Amino acid sequence: EAGVVQSPRYKIIEKKQPVAFWCNPISGHNTLYWYLQNLGQGPELLIRYENEEAVDDSQLPKDRFSAERLKGVDSTLKIQPAELGDSAVYLCASSSGEVVTDTQYFGPGTRLTVL
Amino acid sequence: AQSVTQLGSHVSVSEGALVLLRCNYSSSVPPYLFWYVQYPNQGLQLLLKYTTGATLVKGINGFEAEFKKSETSFHLTKPSAHMSDAAEYFCAVSVKNDMRFGAGTRLTVKP
Repeated sequence: EAGVVQSPRYKIIEKKQPVAFWCNPISGHNTLYWYLQNLGQGPELLIRYENEEAVDDSQLPKDRFSAERLKGVDSTLKIQPAELGDSAVYLCASSSGEVVTDTQYFGPGTRLTVL
Repeated sequence: AQSVTQLGSHVSVSEGALVLLRCNYSSSVPPYLFWYVQYPNQGLQLLLKYTTGATLVKGINGFEAEFKKSETSFHLTKPSAHMSDAAEYFCAVSVKNDMRFGAGTRLTVKP
């Protein structure tokens, strides 16, 4: 079974440029998460989807960040414009969502460097 | 909101020695607790989780953790460290699908 797929793995951009990250969850997983992981810290939730509905986006900086999961499968996270402080690893995870104790499966992440 | 504190950002042990990574949590309701491991340039992988029932939980790679409600702790242990255990370890607490992670503990294993 394929795991959570993320692309690109690495991205280097200059500040004020836009950037987008893509995630394809494990097949059949209804719940999808985007996390931000700064160096030396644990992941912090940005947004959680149940199917195509964003059920928790309270930590998403909506002035520059946006996300979509149009058909309830894959998802895109966008930053426009990027700032130096956005340099971090962006992790995507998915779970079946059937029960609250379901395991979250993580992708390898996208490492963003903003110059 | 719930939170996790991992005591010690770096832990170093010799190969074959006991591994003990400490985690304390805060939650106003009974929590679900998790330990994840992260190898360089990889995503997080679940080691073990506690939901209900037996308080001693066994996971992959010989790791186990014990939920102690009175101490609000969920420490991770392994009797004998292996070189391949060197990684970053994250404790996490989840309430109603809202998962909060600790800052992580980097485990170094010396030959």
